[in-house]
Amino acid sequence: DAGVTQSPTHLIKTRGQQVTLRCSPISGHKSVSWYQQVLGQGPQFIFQYYEKEERGRGNFPDRFSARQFPNYSSELNVNALLLGDSALYLCASSLAQGGIETQYFGPGTRLLVL
Amino acid sequence: AQSVTQLGSHVSVSEGALVLLRCNYSSSVPPYLFWYVQYPNQGLQLLLKYTSAATLVKGINGFEAEFKKSETSFHLTKPSAHMSDAAEYFCAVTGRSSASKIIFGSGTRLSIRP
Repeated sequence: DAGVTQSPTHLIKTRGQQVTLRCSPISGHKSVSWYQQVLGQGPQFIFQYYEKEERGRGNFPDRFSARQFPNYSSELNVNALLLGDSALYLCASSLAQGGIETQYFGPGTRLLVL
Repeated sequence: AQSVTQLGSHVSVSEGALVLLRCNYSSSVPPYLFWYVQYPNQGLQLLLKYTSAATLVKGINGFEAEFKKSETSFHLTKPSAHMSDAAEYFCAVTGRSSASKIIFGSGTRLSIRP
C-alpha cells in the first residue's frame, strides 16, 4: 500500500505570492494533519482535519488555511508568503482523530521563499 | 498544556556503543508519548509510542523507551549503535483527547563514529 504522498516535493516562491500544497493520505485514513518544520527545529502543528471538518488549529496566522476533500485528500494554502514561511511542510494521516491514533508522515514539501 | 524537552541537541556515540537520547515531558493530563526518527531529506517515521499499556516500550530497529512518571521522562535507548542509526530523533507528546495534535521537541541529532 502507498504511504502518505505529498506534492510538490520542492517549491520556490517569492515574497507576497501564494502557494498550495497537496497531500494524499493512506487509503482508509480519514484524518489529515499539517505541520511546519523550520530548519533545525521540531515540527509545529498547523491544522487537523477529520471527515472534512477542521478539528484543530495551531498558532498560525490567518494566511494559513486548509481544506479536506471527500476523498480525504487535503490542501494547505499559504497567502502573502513571508521569508519566514520557508520550511518543510509535513502532512500526516491517521485512521481517526484522537491522540492514540498513530500518525503516518509523508516525505514533506520543501518551500523556499525568496 | 503539554511540552517536551530533549536534552542535548547533538549526541555522538561510537558504533556498537549504547545510545541514550533524553526526553522529559510536561503534561497536565496522562500523556501519550512518541519517538520519531527523521533521516536526511525525509519525513518522520514512528519508532515507538507509549499509551499506558506498559512502561517499557519496544520499537523498531532495536530501540526501546521507558516511561517513568516519577521522573517525567521517556528516554530512548538502543544497546548497540549502528551506522544506519545516524539521524534526527524527535520526542513528542499528545493528550488523551479527541484531537491528534502532536507537540514535538526540538530534536536530537545522533551521529555514529566508526
